[in-house]
Amino acid sequence: DADVTQTPRNRITKTGKRIMLECSQTKGHDRMYWYRQDPGLGLRLIYYSFDVKDINKGEISDGYSVSRQAQAKFSLSLESAIPNQTALYFCATSDTSLGRGTSYNEQFFGPGTRLTVL
Amino acid sequence: DAKTTQPPSMDCAEGRAANLPCNHSTISGNEYVYWYRQIHSQGPQYIIHGLKNNETNEMASLIITEDRKSSTLILPHATLRDTAVYYCIVRVGGTTDSWGKLQFGAGTQVVVTP
Repeated sequence: DADVTQTPRNRITKTGKRIMLECSQTKGHDRMYWYRQDPGLGLRLIYYSFDVKDINKGEISDGYSVSRQAQAKFSLSLESAIPNQTALYFCATSDTSLGRGTSYNEQFFGPGTRLTVL
Repeated sequence: DAKTTQPPSMDCAEGRAANLPCNHSTISGNEYVYWYRQIHSQGPQYIIHGLKNNETNEMASLIITEDRKSSTLILPHATLRDTAVYYCIVRVGGTTDSWGKLQFGAGTQVVVTP
């Protein structure tokens, strides 16, 4: 979905380096998420943000930090990258103001960032 | 959130209906069934969701059994572009704490063949 962009799309780095992955959205959504995906597995939630002042840990937040600089931007940082953080990273957004009822939770995903830590 | 069980893979002939099963025997009364799919290495895409009643949209139909312990996603006329991993997710709707959190399993790899 072109409304959710991620940069970079591919990154190769070395162990111990600090890495930042950026996510931007033009959908005007209030909620944003970071997931990682390992080969052959489903997505796992790293962090999520309900608005600029609300950041929450997901199931695998150790080794990661995030920053919600604005409603449209949500960055994921690896303070000191390690090889087992090699994965495909996805950003996603959702909107609580669509007025479709509390059941509705369609998340819109970005194209992904393929990160390799050597 | 309730755990789901899906077959790891299935094949489907192009033009035929694809019926994807999902077992969620521990589902609670306030939990919804969601389906997403992921075409190779792309971001997942929402397909459909439901609570009790069967649902249909332009992409698929969702059939939920009366006891809600299982469901079936139906792609009525599968095309080669429907080849993807399909995820069945069960989660609570409407609470501030859990709203927005999707727990993905391994899903079902669907291969549509000519």
